[in-house]
Amino acid sequence: AAGVIQSPRHLIKEKRETATLKCYPIPRHDTVYWYQQGPGQDPQFLISFYEKMQSDKGSIPDRFSAQQFSDYHSELNMSSLELGDSALYFCASSSPQGARTDTQYFGPGTRLTVL
Amino acid sequence: AQKVTQAQTEISVVEKEDVTLDCVYETRDTTYYLFWYKQPPSGELVFLIRRNSFDEQNEISGRYSWNFQKSTSSFNFTITASQVVDSAVYFCALSEVYSSASKIIFGSGTRLSIRP
Repeated sequence: AAGVIQSPRHLIKEKRETATLKCYPIPRHDTVYWYQQGPGQDPQFLISFYEKMQSDKGSIPDRFSAQQFSDYHSELNMSSLELGDSALYFCASSSPQGARTDTQYFGPGTRLTVL
Repeated sequence: AQKVTQAQTEISVVEKEDVTLDCVYETRDTTYYLFWYKQPPSGELVFLIRRNSFDEQNEISGRYSWNFQKSTSSFNFTITASQVVDSAVYFCALSEVYSSASKIIFGSGTRLSIRP
């Protein structure tokens, strides 16, 4: 079965640079979530989109922005990167339809390293 | 506020032993979802189970079983006859039901090591 696709899988950036992470949800899933997992920590919710509209917002820095496009893929844009942004960034998707309603399936993650 | 507590930071057992991972949650919602996710050393988050708050039936899936007790706000996870491949960080998690894109609140995770 198709899973959530994230690209790139690994990214290395310098401080103050920008980064764009991409997420392609499971086909027919219309809801996308972004989470940030620091080293040794649990994933923390950043933001979510339902039907291309922002649905919920967590502890996402103002330097970060995200959107969901007409094909339901999503991008997380990160600017003025700081050392503390180094983390594993997960995208998850879900669908209100079917037996597994609202279960979030996670992608493999993008490991961002800021030097 | 919602909160998930996994008091066991690390557990180490010998292969073939049974092991139970504890999870206690707090929420003011009367309807909610509970989850367990597995994060192996490779880093991905693997969905294991979702439980609705109104369904207190225990569930068994192969060597895995889950015990949901609403009275004690607990959702414990037992692995029977553990194997080395079960070594991972396991997260218990909670989410609302009524909104269209409910965020998941994770516990801090339990690192499970299965020794050969």
